[in-house]
Amino acid sequence: GDSVTQMEGPVTLSEEAFLTINCTYTATGYPSLFWYVQYPGEGLQLLLKATKADDKGSNKGFEATYRKETTSFHLEKGSVQVSDSAVYFCALSPLNDYKLSFGAGTTVTVRA
Amino acid sequence: DGGITQSPKYLFRKEGQNVTLSCEQNLNHDAMYWYRQDPGQGLRLIYYSQIVNDFQKGDIAEGYSVSREKKESFPLTVTSAQKNPTAFYLCASNVAGGNQETQYFGPGTRLLVL
Repeated sequence: GDSVTQMEGPVTLSEEAFLTINCTYTATGYPSLFWYVQYPGEGLQLLLKATKADDKGSNKGFEATYRKETTSFHLEKGSVQVSDSAVYFCALSPLNDYKLSFGAGTTVTVRA
Repeated sequence: DGGITQSPKYLFRKEGQNVTLSCEQNLNHDAMYWYRQDPGQGLRLIYYSQIVNDFQKGDIAEGYSVSREKKESFPLTVTSAQKNPTAFYLCASNVAGGNQETQYFGPGTRLLVL
């Protein structure tokens, strides 16, 4: 079945450091790919998405590119802030099926 | 403001008790979902509903029940058959039609067993 694997955390960074969270997926066809962010004690918020190969999703300085050849959707940010401390989830939605499959989540802590 | 509301924020369950978690949306979304979140495990789908008066089991439906009598409401009951109910429960919804692949989430309900 469809599945998502993302790098395990926790990840601890200093402010202004570069962040990468790896995400790979297994799916038939061409799923839509997502990154969701969860701040402490809250629900999930959509951070960015890409719906077809080579699409780049971007938001709040975060970027991720849909790579069909490597079945990946890695999340990157060039300069993190303390406010980026959160849990980040990679997810996929199969073509014509809007149920989401989530990765386990990566906890990111940014220190001042 | 449009959005998804979940109540209560915290819920305590006694042994053998059924409890119901509320989820309401005013986004006019057709589909609604319930997920369970445990530490380090991501989110797992409990039940989902794509239309009023219809719903399907997700990956971990045992010990849970739902109803969908109104488009805007999708309550989840955690029954006494669910032996390990302590978790964070998230409700989500999405629209049928353009952009339907994006799910929007509520703030969650944390269920604790006394």
